[in-house]
Amino acid sequence: EPEVTQTPSHQVTQMGQEVILRCVPISNHLYFYWYRQILGQKVEFLVSFYNNEISEKSEIFDDQFSVERPDGSNFTLKIRSTKLEDSAMYFCAIPHLQAGVQFFGPGTRLTVL
Amino acid sequence: QQPVQSPQAVILREGEDAVINCSSSKALYSVHWYRQKHGEAPVFLMILLKGGEQKGHEKISASFNEKKQQSSLYLTASQLSYSGTYFCGTNAGGTSYGKLTFGQGTILTVHP
Repeated sequence: EPEVTQTPSHQVTQMGQEVILRCVPISNHLYFYWYRQILGQKVEFLVSFYNNEISEKSEIFDDQFSVERPDGSNFTLKIRSTKLEDSAMYFCAIPHLQAGVQFFGPGTRLTVL
Repeated sequence: QQPVQSPQAVILREGEDAVINCSSSKALYSVHWYRQKHGEAPVFLMILLKGGEQKGHEKISASFNEKKQQSSLYLTASQLSYSGTYFCGTNAGGTSYGKLTFGQGTILTVHP
């Protein structure tokens, strides 16, 4: 199982502020995914990123969201102007050697006040 | 469109069995099963690829009926540690690295 860390574990921000969530896989991966989970609800796909480009995104992933791989190792999810409804757990997921298996990071809890 | 899971909740005594179903209206490349405990990330259990295979993992196994686009997760001789919310995630993208679309989850509670 690939190891991945996410920082911060918990982020509290004011509505309208920008936040950057980070995902750091232990080994290099070309593929990664971002999902979110609003408290008590199902996991929702946000975006997939392959070889430094977005390969697929959901309707949730609007212009307020962006993803980057700033230094070749960690991956970031940026929300430019947070809204109350952005409060959720945000998970990055990394594929395993067995093609298709996605392992989730521990998540970042985002609270927008 | 998200897959539909049933039942929404299951309550068991230790040692009892349970079946959780996942049904999709789309042709699937694969079905993924996860278990999530409160406040934690989803933990991968197993993947079923198109072809109708059945897989096993200790006392947890699963099947995938490609014709019906349905998958079932079988939990036998349940243990307290099985408690949690079970999600199926479906990949209808046609490639192994497609996004996962998750069902609404099935809450499993195992009592002593």
